[in-house]
Amino acid sequence: EPEVTQTPSHQVTQMGQEVILRCVPISNHLYFYWYRQILGQKVEFLVSFYNNEISEKSEIFDDQFSVERPDGSNFTLKIRSTKLEDSAMYFCASSEGGRHQPQHFGDGTRLSIL
Amino acid sequence: QKEVEQNSGPLSVPEGAIASLNCTYSDRGSQSFFWYRQYSGKSPELIMFIYSNGDKEDGRFTAQLNKASQYVSLLIRDSQPSDSATYLCAVNGQGGKLIFGQGTELSVKP
Repeated sequence: EPEVTQTPSHQVTQMGQEVILRCVPISNHLYFYWYRQILGQKVEFLVSFYNNEISEKSEIFDDQFSVERPDGSNFTLKIRSTKLEDSAMYFCASSEGGRHQPQHFGDGTRLSIL
Repeated sequence: QKEVEQNSGPLSVPEGAIASLNCTYSDRGSQSFFWYRQYSGKSPELIMFIYSNGDKEDGRFTAQLNKASQYVSLLIRDSQPSDSATYLCAVNGQGGKLIFGQGTELSVKP
């Protein structure tokens, strides 16, 4: 069964450094999402992406964050200058269609900021 | 602030029993409702989705939706220890985003 692939599984970074989290969505999916989950808390929406542009972003997704689809398969989340509070699990998700379609999640990247 | 509310649990049921998980949502305009299962340290796994009022069954799982009451539930029949996990209710929002509840921890005792 097709799946969303995320790399790396665990990223440890010094505060202030830039990180890039990578995702390969399911191949025929058109809508892409990033979520994060701080330990013990809810899954929170960060950003949605369709047709090479951001559809919606949350208050969390400030100027430190950016997303990109650099080629036909990858979807990346960049955090420019990491803070301690960015430590969380980051999940990429994709869906075949629009807002009402089920989203399928990758295994996540655990980001630890030291 | 659009919200999704769930009892955090833990909900404990014996093996073979029916587990009933409940969720309420605040936005009357919501149209799509999803149940995800999340094992500890893992990612959300889609279990069910429902769009229309009433029941939708898939194997041991039944999703129930009542838009008038802004209530969605998940029933798990013949619960197994492997069903022990946190169950996340999610509702669609602007731009396709999912708004998640806190999750209900289910424990199925052998």
